[in-house]
Amino acid sequence: EVQLVESGGGLVQPGGSLRLSCAASGFTFNTYWMHWVRQTPGKGLVWVALIKGDGTTTYYADSVKGRFTISRDNTKDTLYLQMNSLRVEDTAVYYCARPVSGGWGPNHYWGQGTLVTVSS
Amino acid sequence: EIVLTQSPGTLSLSPGERATLSCRASQGISHTYLAWYQQKPGQAPRLLIYDISRRASGIPDRFSGSGSGTDFTLTISGLEPEDFAIYYCQQYGISPLTFGGGTKVET
Repeated sequence: EVQLVESGGGLVQPGGSLRLSCAASGFTFNTYWMHWVRQTPGKGLVWVALIKGDGTTTYYADSVKGRFTISRDNTKDTLYLQMNSLRVEDTAVYYCARPVSGGWGPNHYWGQGTLVTVSS
Repeated sequence: EIVLTQSPGTLSLSPGERATLSCRASQGISHTYLAWYQQKPGQAPRLLIYDISRRASGIPDRFSGSGSGTDFTLTISGLEPEDFAIYYCQQYGISPLTFGGGTKVET
């Protein structure tokens, strides 16, 4: 059974940093692209970042480019999102997600999400 | 960036009725890379349809997708009580991947 479990969310001040983790199980992690998607409470879904199975290729939404870094440790079956220079508007539930098959989308499996609150 | 515009914002229907949700793209979608998701309060999104018209595993056949180019439709042929939720379209043909703003189907 595919499982994705996010952790690392919490309260952080504007300008601060946070690292999210997503522990994956039930599939061959290093063969799948992986995503981060976020959702401000009560609002819609926003794609954040994407990383190839071997970690060599990444893509970012313009709103996080230069501040967030997606990475993965395929020896630990874990996906990461390093978030720096956090802004109030980064407040959201952050989901990690895995595509249906070998390409980069769409996302068939989702974690339960971890809440990041950026506030002073 | 491809902007996806969903309409209507809210659809008020009764169980058993047919729901027709629209998703319009600001430019043509690469290949057939358009998906639909369902989301209920407090839950992660659930993939319903991908590649415009392919149902994800376990999705009932009352859900169907259609369209091409810039205009896409999700149809729910007869609403069940569990179908009242928010629906999002997504294009995954080109980065940045983008979602529509959502359509809420309410009773």
